Amino acid sequence: AQRVTQPEKLLSVFKGAPVELKCNYSYSGSPELFWYVQYSRQRLQLLLRHISRESIKGFTADLNKGETSFHLKKPFAQEEDSAMYYCALSGWGGSDDMRFGAGTRLTVKP
Amino acid sequence: DTGVSQDPRHKITKRGQNVTFRCDPISEHNRLYWYRQTLGQGPEFLTYFQNEAQLEKSRLLSDRFSAERPKGSFSTLEIQRTEQGDSAMYLCASSPWVGGKAGELFFGEGSRLTVL
Repeated sequence: AQRVTQPEKLLSVFKGAPVELKCNYSYSGSPELFWYVQYSRQRLQLLLRHISRESIKGFTADLNKGETSFHLKKPFAQEEDSAMYYCALSGWGGSDDMRFGAGTRLTVKP
Repeated sequence: DTGVSQDPRHKITKRGQNVTFRCDPISEHNRLYWYRQTLGQGPEFLTYFQNEAQLEKSRLLSDRFSAERPKGSFSTLEIQRTEQGDSAMYLCASSPWVGGKAGELFFGEGSRLTVL
């Protein structure tokens, strides 16, 4: 069974500081990993997926299969990054559903 | 296309009553998911459909819960004999399904259920 763990429920940083939101997963097959974000009073939306290898809004995430991690990073946090962030996993080939972690609330202080 | 829409947005009901939620996905998406979210938790998987076929149902889902997607378009989630523990936000999401790969999930705004 697949499982996603986000060890930090809350994370607070100052504007301009680096930020890292942790995500660890367990899955016996080949996973596809995602980060979803929910800004205040908005619906949940995709931020990035590992297969795209893109940088979205300055965020990047690298899949580390050895450590089974998919941490989200940004070198210089902005106040508009304050939101709820969810790591999610789907089995390769799509035979499995999308499972979410409990989420990390990021607050970027001025 | 305005995206995934859910109805009603809010539902207050008494314990023991039945409730039904509707989800209209993005029209060309053939995958549809239902999740439940409670305060402080991430979306918890309930079930998903590929077109009209229900492919997986969470073992956590009691038999009071049933979901349908009769024509592969909109879906309904029914909860029978509601309990206070059913109070939650019920989220629907849809995604394309191309070439065996999971697509991006597009979420609705959710239906909030309060059971008194």
